[in-house]
Amino acid sequence: DAGVTQTPRHEVAEKGQTIILKCEPVSGHNDLFWYRQTKIQGLELLSYFRSKSLMEDGGAFKDRFKAEMLNSSFSTLKIQPTEPKDSAVYLCASKTGGGAETLYFGSGTRLTVL
Amino acid sequence: GDSVTQTEGLVTLTEGLPVMLNCTYQSTYSPFLFWYVQHLNEAPKLLLKSFTDNKRPEHQGFHATLHKSSSSFHLQKSSAQLSDSALYYCALRGYQGGRALIFGTGTTVSVSP
Repeated sequence: DAGVTQTPRHEVAEKGQTIILKCEPVSGHNDLFWYRQTKIQGLELLSYFRSKSLMEDGGAFKDRFKAEMLNSSFSTLKIQPTEPKDSAVYLCASKTGGGAETLYFGSGTRLTVL
Repeated sequence: GDSVTQTEGLVTLTEGLPVMLNCTYQSTYSPFLFWYVQHLNEAPKLLLKSFTDNKRPEHQGFHATLHKSSSSFHLQKSSAQLSDSALYYCALRGYQGGRALIFGTGTTVSVSP
């Protein structure tokens, strides 16, 4: 089975640009997550979807970050406008619904904002 | 609110020595705790998770015990290997809003010969 697929692997943007990151979850998984990974803050939640419905939105990221789940097998994360402080690795993860189940992560998109 | 604290940013040790990574948490309800590991240029993956029946989870020589009295879920291994060099995250399943995992800031482990 295919794991979580994220594209692109690397993205370089100028300050003020709009960028869109893409994620395809594991087939059959109902829950999808976007996390931002930095050395200082670790893994911070951006958005959480269950069966395409937004369940949780990371409070600190609401103004310029928008995640959408267009269908059960595809999600996007839009950052608009980008700022240099957005430089980080953006990870997508998915899991089946239910209790203490396993999160499956993609390899991430490394974003650099100049 | 719910949170996870990992106090060590970097742990360096020699192969064969024991390793313990600290993890403490604050949880509104009965907690589920996890350890995820991320090797260089790889995606994070589950290492182990707590059980509700007080069993001690173990995987690849690592183990962790959930102590509700001290709100801790420290990760331990009796003898570190070179391949254990990685970034380790402790995580808590949150109950606020949805059920997204709340991660700590991570601990980098560097094992040398």
